[in-house]
Amino acid sequence: EMQLVESGGGLIQPGGSLRLSCAASGFSVTSSFMNWVRQAPGKGLEWVSIIFNDGTTYYADSVKGRFTLSRDTSRDTLFLQMNSLRAEDTAVYYCTRGEFDPWGQGTRVIVSS
Amino acid sequence: QAGLTQPPSVSKDLRQTATLTCTGNSNNVGNEGVAWLQQHQGHPPKVLSYRNNNRPSGISERFSASRSGNTASLTITGLQPEDEADYYCSAWDTSLIAWVFGGGTKLTVL
Repeated sequence: EMQLVESGGGLIQPGGSLRLSCAASGFSVTSSFMNWVRQAPGKGLEWVSIIFNDGTTYYADSVKGRFTLSRDTSRDTLFLQMNSLRAEDTAVYYCTRGEFDPWGQGTRVIVSS
Repeated sequence: QAGLTQPPSVSKDLRQTATLTCTGNSNNVGNEGVAWLQQHQGHPPKVLSYRNNNRPSGISERFSASRSGNTASLTITGLQPEDEADYYCSAWDTSLIAWVFGGGTKLTVL
């Protein structure tokens, strides 16, 4: 069974940094492209970033230059390094494989002073 | 990034049929189709249909997806109480090089 488990969320002050992790089991993180998607409280889904099989990454304009997506293929784990965090980055962050199947349970990030 | 357009809410009676729409442009919906996602309150989303309109294993045949031009549709037949949820569409935008999402449709089963 394919599973994803996110971790690393928490409360952080504006301007701070966090690194989220997404551990995959039941498949390799290089078997398909992988995404991070976030959902602000009471809002819809917002795509954040993608990493393709060859390691190429793309980002939403709202996070470009602040977030970096990487992976450790030996541990089948994705990382989302988030710098210069803003209040509007407050959300539940999900990782998801390929065309959104499966999803992890999400990790909550709160950016507040 | 510009998103896809979904009606904010749809209400239908139990056992009736609901059709949810998702409108984009030729760079996204019209190019590669959409994935449809269902999200119950407090839970992560679940994919109902891939961009090629195929259902993942385990998804009921009551859910079917289609596309005409720049508009995609998700039809849910024989509505059940458990179908009450938020539904999102998403498409890969070849111009933006990004996934774009619709704002979501809240389906109420009366």
